[in-house]
Amino acid sequence: DTEVTQTPKHLVMGMTNKKSLKCEQHMGHRAMYWYKQKAKKPPELMFVYSYEKLSINESVPSRFSPECPNSSLLNLHLHALQPEDSALYLCASSPPDGLYEQYFGPGTRLTVT
Amino acid sequence: AQSVTQPDIHITVSEGASLELRCNYSYGATPYLFWYVQSPGQGLQLLLKYFSGDTLVQGIKGFEAEFKRSQSYFNLRKPSVHWSDAAEYFCAAGPGGYQKVTFGTGTKLQVIP
Repeated sequence: DTEVTQTPKHLVMGMTNKKSLKCEQHMGHRAMYWYKQKAKKPPELMFVYSYEKLSINESVPSRFSPECPNSSLLNLHLHALQPEDSALYLCASSPPDGLYEQYFGPGTRLTVT
Repeated sequence: AQSVTQPDIHITVSEGASLELRCNYSYGATPYLFWYVQSPGQGLQLLLKYFSGDTLVQGIKGFEAEFKRSQSYFNLRKPSVHWSDAAEYFCAAGPGGYQKVTFGTGTKLQVIP
C-alpha cells in the first residue's frame, strides 16, 4: 500500500455539527500532518504528529481537535466551525528513512454552512 | 525568517516546449527542498526532493530540478511539456526533521496545443 487515504471526500456541515475527518496510511510512516488549503493558496500547516505524539500545533483554534490513535491513523475532529473554515483539508505523512518529504492524500473538501 | 519565492504566478507554454519554473529560497542553512504538483481539487504529489549531492535532481514524470547554492535557487525543468502537465506547482523548503515546511505561493502552468 503506497498511498495516503482520506475520508470522506466531501463534507457539508452546519455550524453546530460535530464531524470527523479520517486519514490513513499503511506505509510505516511515523509522522503525519494536517493542512488546510484555501483556493489558489498553498497548504497551511495545522498539526504534526511525530511517533503518535502531537509535536506541532500551529495555533489552531480549539474547534479543530486532532487525534492519532495509532501510527497508521489520524483524525481531525470538528466542532462549531465557522463558514471561513470551509477549505480543502489535506493529510500527509513522512517516511522514517527519507528526506522528510511528505506524501499527501487527496483531501476532504469541507463546506461549513 | 525562512521564505520560498516563486516569482511566476502563471506560466503558459506550448505542448512540446521546454519548461522552467523558478524557485528562490531564503534559509539560514541549506534546507531540504521539494517540488510538488497539484491538479485542481486534488492532493499534492511529490515530484522530487533534494538535500545534498548532485545538484541536478531527477524526479518523476520527466521532471528534473537544478539546485544552485550561490544563487539560492531550486528551479524545476522539463524538456518537453505534455498537456497533462497543466496544474499548480509548489516549491517547498524545510529544516529537516518532522518540522514545518515553508511552501511557495505556487505557479499555475497552462499548456496550449
